[in-house]
Amino acid sequence: DTGVSQDPRHKITKRGQNVTFRCDPISEHNRLYWYRQTLGQGPEFLTYFQNEAQLEKSRLLSDRFSAERPKGSFSTLEIQRTEQGDSAMYLCASSSRRYEQFFGPGTRLTVL
Amino acid sequence: KQEVTQIPAALSVPEGENLVLNCSFTDSAIYNLQWFRQDPGKGLTSLLLIQSSQREQTSGRLNASLDKSSGRSTLYIAASQPGDSATYLCAVSFLDNQGGKLIFGQGTELSVKP
Repeated sequence: DTGVSQDPRHKITKRGQNVTFRCDPISEHNRLYWYRQTLGQGPEFLTYFQNEAQLEKSRLLSDRFSAERPKGSFSTLEIQRTEQGDSAMYLCASSSRRYEQFFGPGTRLTVL
Repeated sequence: KQEVTQIPAALSVPEGENLVLNCSFTDSAIYNLQWFRQDPGKGLTSLLLIQSSQREQTSGRLNASLDKSSGRSTLYIAASQPGDSATYLCAVSFLDNQGGKLIFGQGTELSVKP
């Protein structure tokens, strides 16, 4: 068990560019969550997958954001036409059923 | 609206002191509550998970309590050490959300001075 991993750890991009982040959950976990955290705040929920099905999306997830979890394994989060307000730490977590959630190290996005 | 609040936002204590971090939530219908630690620029490390049927959980120098009726949880840290310096986050999973998403407080930034 290597824990939850995320790639890349840091991403700097120019406004208007598209970015994609990857999350690899703990292998036996069927639930995967994406959260966003801005400086000095607690994480905020973005979206949730159970296996390959995306079952819940926050209103924070505008139409520029899309997430997938093909085959119920890793997940990707894509942001199109990035804006400076998208700058944040993007966190991925996984769990088995509704048990304890384990978080990855996060991807720090900076939009210039 | 379901909200989680942590007070104080920051706390500074001398090494060796016992301390209590507070977390309150607006809806008593919770599924579980987790306490996390976050070091600067890093992800979250799970410290303790309390199910709604439990009153407390302990791990080493940490003890977390849960009082659903009053909408409160506390994290007690015994004999604090400089290595305990970090931000501590409380997060609640409410019963009416089957997906289990967590609602987080803003965190308490703890500094333990040698």
